[in-house]
Amino acid sequence: QSVLTQPPSASGTPGQRVTISCSGSSSNIGSNPVNWYQQLPGTAPKLLIYSNNQRPSGVPDRFSGSKSGTSASLAISGLQSEDEADYYCAAWDDSLNGLWVFGGGTKLTVV
Amino acid sequence: QVTLRESGPALVKPTQTLTLTCTFSGFSLSTSGMCVNWIRQPPGKALEWLARIDWDDAKYYSTSLKTRLTISKDTSKNQVVLTMTNMDPVDTATYYCARIRTISCSGDYWGQGTLVTVSS
Repeated sequence: QSVLTQPPSASGTPGQRVTISCSGSSSNIGSNPVNWYQQLPGTAPKLLIYSNNQRPSGVPDRFSGSKSGTSASLAISGLQSEDEADYYCAAWDDSLNGLWVFGGGTKLTVV
Repeated sequence: QVTLRESGPALVKPTQTLTLTCTFSGFSLSTSGMCVNWIRQPPGKALEWLARIDWDDAKYYSTSLKTRLTISKDTSKNQVVLTMTNMDPVDTATYYCARIRTISCSGDYWGQGTLVTVSS
């Protein structure tokens, strides 16, 4: 049971816009910035979004992030077949001594 | 260029202690803002964070696993070591070392991961 809650699956057709939600609490998303990762099969996660809505260099502007209160969202516009992957949200949690918490992951299918 | 590489046994027996080493290059763990984490991923399942060590030797552990984990660093060798005691088949996973970007830690880089199977 992951601390951050994501829908297990999402889907869209090429060119469509899809959003993936991530729900947390006051000690994690409510207090700290959110990262989003893309994981292609058999590979390590790749940072897509940091600090809620910032894109590292090289990440297409089709990917965008937002945060409100204790929830965050990842939006992918102009969906492409290569976007089919697992997506994870992550945030530092200030409870106890501090720890990273991840979402359970959302498998995005491009139909 | 920042790189991280995990190494350790591919197979361990139940009850044994797992020792994993993360060897990195392109940065020094004695520099302010540097942090190294261990994360694992059982086959077909989600990412699970395990531990983090910072440039100032601050250490953080997963609440559910903290009694079994120890993280340490050897700055001179550019290595971070994770030990996990009392291994069980449910600990079978790909183990990643990574720098994860947050307020106090810069950069986001991941190793390729190493698969550890726990079986007798």
